[in-house]
Amino acid sequence: AQKVTQAQTEISVVEKEDVTLDCVYETRDTTYYLFWYKQPPSGELVFLIRRNSFDEQNEISGRYSWNFQKSTSSFNFTITASQVVDSAVYFCALSDPMDSSYKLIFGSGTRLLVRP
Amino acid sequence: EAQVTQNPRYLITVTGKKLTVTCSQNMNHEYMSWYRQDPGLGLRQIYYSMNVEVTDKGDVPEGYKVSRKEKRNFPLILESPSPNQTSLYFCASSLFYRGAQNQPQHFGDGTRLSIL
Repeated sequence: AQKVTQAQTEISVVEKEDVTLDCVYETRDTTYYLFWYKQPPSGELVFLIRRNSFDEQNEISGRYSWNFQKSTSSFNFTITASQVVDSAVYFCALSDPMDSSYKLIFGSGTRLLVRP
Repeated sequence: EAQVTQNPRYLITVTGKKLTVTCSQNMNHEYMSWYRQDPGLGLRQIYYSMNVEVTDKGDVPEGYKVSRKEKRNFPLILESPSPNQTSLYFCASSLFYRGAQNQPQHFGDGTRLSIL
């Protein structure tokens, strides 16, 4: 069965600290896609990144970076020099092209609180 | 502006009173989907649609109906709402064509339903 685990329910940091959000996934497929979404307090879901299983290169976008490691089935998300505006719930998700529903399988989310 | 629009954003209603949550996208996306978000469970797919007149059940379809008569619209219908359908609902859309599955899904702002 496919599953996404975000073991950190809630993380609290002080502004300017670096913070890493963990994501561990389970799938028997060799081809799959991984995503991160951000849900700010206003409630909408904002797409951050999509990764396919054949691309293990780490990615950096400004203060955000992602570390994809197939060996440990992890797709961790790091925010460098966190800011108050980063406070949100962050979801990791998995999608399988062999699943005809193309649904996103979400983790339970990690709530990040960045304190001034 | 490319967007997925849901209405209403908030609704409080009573058990058994039929309701419809509308969803419209202006990106000419083939794929549309409904999710519900419940605390500690992440988001789970209710129904999805690959194109006009093509719909199918997701993981939690009981108590819901959908239709896809036009490409841009994908309403979610609760024929006889019950309290266990109190949740935050999201509509999503994405491009879909052979060779480009599992594209990022773009989400609406969410609809918070309370069934008393």
